[in-house]
Amino acid sequence: SQQGEEDPQALSIQEGENATMNCSYKTSINNLQWYRQNSGRGLVHLILIRSNEREKHSGRLRVTLDTSKKSSSLLITASRAADTASYFCATVNNQAGTALIFGKGTTLSVSS
Amino acid sequence: GAGVSQSPSNKVTEKGKDVELRCDPISGHTALYWYRQRLGQGLEFLIYFQGNSAPDKSGLPSDRFSAERTGESVSTLTIQRTQQEDSAVYLCASSLGPAGGSGELFFGEGSRLTVL
Repeated sequence: SQQGEEDPQALSIQEGENATMNCSYKTSINNLQWYRQNSGRGLVHLILIRSNEREKHSGRLRVTLDTSKKSSSLLITASRAADTASYFCATVNNQAGTALIFGKGTTLSVSS
Repeated sequence: GAGVSQSPSNKVTEKGKDVELRCDPISGHTALYWYRQRLGQGLEFLIYFQGNSAPDKSGLPSDRFSAERTGESVSTLTIQRTQQEDSAVYLCASSLGPAGGSGELFFGEGSRLTVL
């Protein structure tokens, strides 16, 4: 089934550094979304980028989308310890129009 | 309520018993999703309800799993004859519109199931 695959699986950085996570997917999409999950909690929506958009910003977050490569990246600038969490990308197959399918996630650890 | 509510938050059961997990979506949200998350793993899609359309059950792992939704409100996920491999956090989410639209998903805090 269609699934986003995040890369890397785990990332450890120092506060103030930037964190970049990548997501690849398999089929054509309508939009791609990024979510965050703190340990043991539900997921929280971060940002949505449509298939006709190439870049989107929200605060310290920057998302890019390359539909020709079927990939997206999430950049967190000036990271903080509070950014420590797992980050997931999610896509919908725009032909099937069914559920949002999540990747396996990137676990980000930010040390102070 | 203000958010997606799931119950129970924790459930410990014995192998072979049936369990029922409940999800109350945000009022007015037409779409409802169930996902399973094993420890340290990603989200595994189970089932998707959208309005009055037939649900997408393609993610249900076996016929021991079933789910129902009453109109555009409460949903229950039932696992019959539980196995130890069913141990996981079961996450419910709802969205205002279809998955292919612009709606973000709002997640509950999950129901943690432990099968002994």
